[in-house]
Amino acid sequence: DSGVTQTPKHLITATGQRVTLRCSPRSGDLSVYWYQQSLDQGLQFLIQYYNGEERAKGNILERFSAQQFPDLHSELNLSSLELGDSALYFCASSVGLRLAGAPSSYNEQFFGPGTRLTVL
Amino acid sequence: DQQVKQNSPSLSVQEGRISILNCDYTNSMFDYFLWYKKYPAEGPTFLISISSIKDKNEDGRFTVFLNKSAKHLSLHIVPSQPGDSAVYFCAASLTGFQKLVFGTGTRLLVSP
Repeated sequence: DSGVTQTPKHLITATGQRVTLRCSPRSGDLSVYWYQQSLDQGLQFLIQYYNGEERAKGNILERFSAQQFPDLHSELNLSSLELGDSALYFCASSVGLRLAGAPSSYNEQFFGPGTRLTVL
Repeated sequence: DQQVKQNSPSLSVQEGRISILNCDYTNSMFDYFLWYKKYPAEGPTFLISISSIKDKNEDGRFTVFLNKSAKHLSLHIVPSQPGDSAVYFCAASLTGFQKLVFGTGTRLLVSP
């Protein structure tokens, strides 16, 4: 158990709909990351929040948005869903920012069990 | 642009033998590398890591080797056990950037 929780575990919805995925980081971790894993693909970085603020953006579609709340949990909102959005969505957390001089342990990201999204 | 590549989608090994999983990268600026193990229906689990200032890091049955000139790293599992059967991802990171860049994974099957 990584200490990162994600809900729901499974989500089935229709095209055009909107869903919200929720993540709670490990106790003490300030950084939250969202990744998408499509079929037979590696994990693709979507977005990162640190202590409530957006810090980094990856290949995240404009239809997707995220936020991190004062209690450090994060939500990923996916709207106008398309068939191609079907994937596993993982949340990860780490202690802090990967900056020069930071401890090497700050590189380590701990993943939740994921949310499997199926768009029909 | 696949900056981290795992060219072997699968590997089969007998219990007790060595498993060697390989990973290549193209960005010479990467300065930290990690291996994750993933079981079905679970999230990736951190396994072992190595900084670019080292060429080897060992943790029990797991050893990671880094060859910076070849932009290549490998994970050795000795001895392999059936419980090691999983998908293994290598990932790379770069100081100042927060994301991990993942390979596509290698499925390891360890048979009794």
